[in-house]
Amino acid sequence: GQQLNQSPQSMFIQEGEDVSMNCTSSSIFNTWLWYKQEPGEGPVLLIALYKAGELTSNGRLTAQFGITRKDSFLNISASIPSDVGIYFCAGSRTGTASKLTFGTGTRLQVTL
Amino acid sequence: DSGVTQTPKHLITATGQRVTLRCSPRSGDLSVYWYQQSLDQGLQFLIQYYNGEERAKGNILERFSAQQFPDLHSELNLSSLELGDSALYFCASSPGRGGANTIYFGEGSWLTVV
Repeated sequence: GQQLNQSPQSMFIQEGEDVSMNCTSSSIFNTWLWYKQEPGEGPVLLIALYKAGELTSNGRLTAQFGITRKDSFLNISASIPSDVGIYFCAGSRTGTASKLTFGTGTRLQVTL
Repeated sequence: DSGVTQTPKHLITATGQRVTLRCSPRSGDLSVYWYQQSLDQGLQFLIQYYNGEERAKGNILERFSAQQFPDLHSELNLSSLELGDSALYFCASSPGRGGANTIYFGEGSWLTVV
């Protein structure tokens, strides 16, 4: 099945650093979502984006819906140890869950 | 805790066997979704049920089937298992027919086929 390209694949950063990751698609999407998955857990929705150019924050997390509608970005500021996990982007043309295409994931490790 | 309950959490079985994964959605949710997460394919949508009826189908193999019961719990049946079926299977639920931002995932069922 199709997957979206996420980069980087993994990141090792120090506590307090800022993190940036992105997701690109060959198709246009009308909805972009960002999820976090921790070990032994299912993905948890962090941020949802619905409009090209939209910038949305959730605490220290900020995500943007790319102008071309083919990409999205997630930034985490001042990382803390509990930010550890795998971050997935997901896009949908129709806005429905059954049409979500997920990214390959970015694994984030935070060291003290 | 998302409120979506999946059992079993871990399962090891042999090739050719059949297994059933169970999912209880969040209270009040009418839609149930099944996803497969594997290392090489990532998270892939398999199938959605809404209030007992199949609503959407994704990359679900013919060897796999699902159903949603009157009490809204769902089961995913995997038969003639192959090594490549080893994966984490997630159930998710949502209140309605399926807005992308309304689904909540369970903790998953780890299936290992040996």
